Amino acid sequence: AQRVTQPEKLLSVFKGAPVELKCNYSYSGSPELFWYVQYSRQRLQLLLRHISRESIKGFTADLNKGETSFHLKKPFAQEEDSAMYYCALTLGAQKPVFGQGTRLTINP
Amino acid sequence: EPEVTQTPSHQVTQMGQEVILRCVPISNHLYFYWYRQILGQKVEFLVSFYNNEISEKSEIFDDQFSVERPDGSNFTLKIRSTKLEDSAMYFCASSLRQGSYGYTFGSGTRLTVV
Repeated sequence: AQRVTQPEKLLSVFKGAPVELKCNYSYSGSPELFWYVQYSRQRLQLLLRHISRESIKGFTADLNKGETSFHLKKPFAQEEDSAMYYCALTLGAQKPVFGQGTRLTINP
Repeated sequence: EPEVTQTPSHQVTQMGQEVILRCVPISNHLYFYWYRQILGQKVEFLVSFYNNEISEKSEIFDDQFSVERPDGSNFTLKIRSTKLEDSAMYFCASSLRQGSYGYTFGSGTRLTVV
């Protein structure tokens, strides 16, 4: 079965510092990887997906098939980045499987 | 930008009561989903719905749960006899296609069973 692991439940960094949210996955095919963000009391929003190789709000994520990872990175954290971040995986036409989420707190 | 709308945002119900959570997916989307998130835990898949029938469901989605798309716009989740452990945030999502096209989530309904 496909599994998504986010090893850090909580991550706290200072404003301006680099951020890396870890995501590892196990799969039995060629998955599609996503990052979702949930700001306080708001909906889950798609942040980025690996196939588009885009940068959203300064965040990037590279799919590393050798390490089966899809870590989310931002070089300079901003206070408005504080949120819950979920890594998710889909395989073929299957529905997304979510990791446990990482709560990111940016300290001023 | 089109949104998935969920109502109510918060519902409190007594144990054993029936609840209906409502969702209005994006109008041209074809696939619909319910997920739930128990406080402090991960987002869990409940059920997917396509072409007016359930296409997949998880083991969480037992006989107490049902889904309906009664009028071509709303997509509802019914819990027949709520239990304390049903307390969670319930998210509706829709997508135009499955797989890599991403899913649009609603803002969720927080269900509290007392």
